[in-house]
Amino acid sequence: QQQVKQSPQSLIVQKGGISIINCAYENTAFDYFPWYQQFPGKGPALLIAIRPDVSEKKEGRFTISFNKSAKQFSLHIMDSQPGDSATYFCAASNVARAAGNKLTFGGGTRVLVKP
Amino acid sequence: DTEVTQTPKHLVMGMTNKKSLKCEQHMGHRAMYWYKQKAKKPPELMFVYSYEKLSINESVPSRFSPECPNSSLLNLHLHALQPEDSALYLCASSRTGVNTEAFFGQGTRLTVV
Repeated sequence: QQQVKQSPQSLIVQKGGISIINCAYENTAFDYFPWYQQFPGKGPALLIAIRPDVSEKKEGRFTISFNKSAKQFSLHIMDSQPGDSATYFCAASNVARAAGNKLTFGGGTRVLVKP
Repeated sequence: DTEVTQTPKHLVMGMTNKKSLKCEQHMGHRAMYWYKQKAKKPPELMFVYSYEKLSINESVPSRFSPECPNSSLLNLHLHALQPEDSALYLCASSRTGVNTEAFFGQGTRLTVV
């Protein structure tokens, strides 16, 4: 059962353009929604995260929009740069549990930014 | 220091070998994780340790045996693996509770021959 669905699978954007990646989740117990960026041969690195009591969060060129009623969230990368070319994963977890942060990942989006 | 260090970076092992993957963090995190990532797929959770105790085992085959000797170290012991176990094995750590940003290591690229 895929609890977090991510789209599109791949994305090509021109330098300076906007990259938009969407995710939908099923488990209403999720209360923490991070986005990770992964370069080939590297581990995922946290980009930005949001909790369901906030509808939008911005950090630099990266913005998360969150729609709790629709159980959807999205990542916008403004002014995309060739260095942003990577695979992006959305994720979700229930951090209220004391056992730790059990992340469920979306399928990933490969973003290519053309110069 | 926000680094999770994994060794070795690459490992090739035969199906009858025994090997271990190691992970270390010095951020004071009390939750540590092993994930498995196949090519072009998302990471999949294998194990979670919380306060040095195994709290989650995602039905991982017994040929994978985790160990948490202390709050900074996490090992994954491998024995009698299959070629389909070849993957990138990622270690991560986080605080417990509501502020639980997970930091990932660079991973160990495992090839089973």
